[in-house]
Amino acid sequence: EDQVTQSPEALRLQEGESSSLNCSYTVSGLRGLFWYRQDPGKGPEFLFTLYSAGEEKEKERLKATLTKKESFLHITAPKPEDSATYLCAVQANTWETSYDKVIFGPGTSLSVIP
Amino acid sequence: DTGVSQNPRHKITKRGQNVTFRCDPISEHNRLYWYRQTLGQGPEFLTYFQNEAQLEKSRLLSDRFSAERPKGSFSTLEIQRTEQGDSAMYLCASSPLNSGANVLTFGAGSRLTVL
Repeated sequence: EDQVTQSPEALRLQEGESSSLNCSYTVSGLRGLFWYRQDPGKGPEFLFTLYSAGEEKEKERLKATLTKKESFLHITAPKPEDSATYLCAVQANTWETSYDKVIFGPGTSLSVIP
Repeated sequence: DTGVSQNPRHKITKRGQNVTFRCDPISEHNRLYWYRQTLGQGPEFLTYFQNEAQLEKSRLLSDRFSAERPKGSFSTLEIQRTEQGDSAMYLCASSPLNSGANVLTFGAGSRLTVL
């Protein structure tokens, strides 16, 4: 069965202290891997889509990378406004009925302390 | 277009009552998803529509849950005979119909509290 796990569950960083979040996935065939950001009381907000191993995408202080079994979200010199829950999700590449289903991991709660 | 709209934002109900949530997706989006999210967890897939057709429903979804999308526009999610375990945030998302990976645009969610 398709599955997504994320680690760590929670992460506290000092402002400027760079780190990485991990997403491990098991799917029959990967159509896309997504990163979303979720602020308290709000719906998730799209950050990146990655399609194949070796691909990288960047946005401001965030950089997402993808291997065959994992994705990493690197946060460089974070600021307090980067505090949020970061969700990883996958979409399988299969012609069965789950073709369009997007499965989310449990998320990593990031707190950046000034 | 103001994005994905969900109503009501918060619903408090007594156990055993029925509740209905509404989602208005981005107008040009053909795909519509419902997810459930509890505190500290990621969104859990409930069901998915392409236009008016409900193409998939989670095996974990109780028969008390039903969703519709008449005319392929807005969608409703009804929960009958609510239980305390139904308390959660119910998220709606939409995406355009294309051949690539489905980037979802989420609404702000409808929070259900069952007393």
